[in-house]
Amino acid sequence: GAVVSQHPSWVICKSGTSVKIECRSLDFQATTMFWYRQFPKQSLMLMATSNEGSKATYEQGVEKDKFLINHASLTLSTLTVTSAHPEDSSFYICSARVGGSLLNSPLHFGNGTRLTVT
Amino acid sequence: QKEVEQDPGPLSVPEGAIVSLNCTYSNSAFQYFMWYRQYSRKGPELLMYTYSSGNKEDGRFTAQVDKSSKYISLFIRDSQPSDSATYLCAMSASGGSYIPTFGRGTSLIVHP
Repeated sequence: GAVVSQHPSWVICKSGTSVKIECRSLDFQATTMFWYRQFPKQSLMLMATSNEGSKATYEQGVEKDKFLINHASLTLSTLTVTSAHPEDSSFYICSARVGGSLLNSPLHFGNGTRLTVT
Repeated sequence: QKEVEQDPGPLSVPEGAIVSLNCTYSNSAFQYFMWYRQYSRKGPELLMYTYSSGNKEDGRFTAQVDKSSKYISLFIRDSQPSDSATYLCAMSASGGSYIPTFGRGTSLIVHP
């Protein structure tokens, strides 16, 4: 069964509005979660690393003011796409290590959120 | 040259065939190797996880790592239409954050 739950699975919003995506770890605590973006027929692009209780670490080229990440508890991280524009339309996926602090534990992914900005 | 190279396909095979999916990489520090299966409009699902060189088998799936050649493979025996998906390889190095580097995925189509 799924160990990482992501919600919503799809969302359509109007240009200029903000959208929040939730990522929850089920039955385990995740001090770190990872947010990815995937374009059609492309690989996963790491956007940011979400750390519980501290600021997220963003990858080069990712606008931290546009993609707000909050990791307020050990089981929940949220990604808010602010002032969304059509170019933000994409598939967003979160992930976490089931092994918690074991850095060599593989990542487990949520089922993704398909965002369409009209 | 990308750190991880993976042929995007599509690879089309008849049901029951043995499928071979491959990735090459350039970073000799990679020690952890993963294969994920991703169905359309879904998140990647972990299939296999191996450390260093060698083989690992799980049901119809066999993962193979050849560090000397910087080459990893995933074999699927008795392929089924339900195996039709995109398969992503991923690998990470020890030290640092262990954040994996992904290939772009190979699209597999198993036709009845």
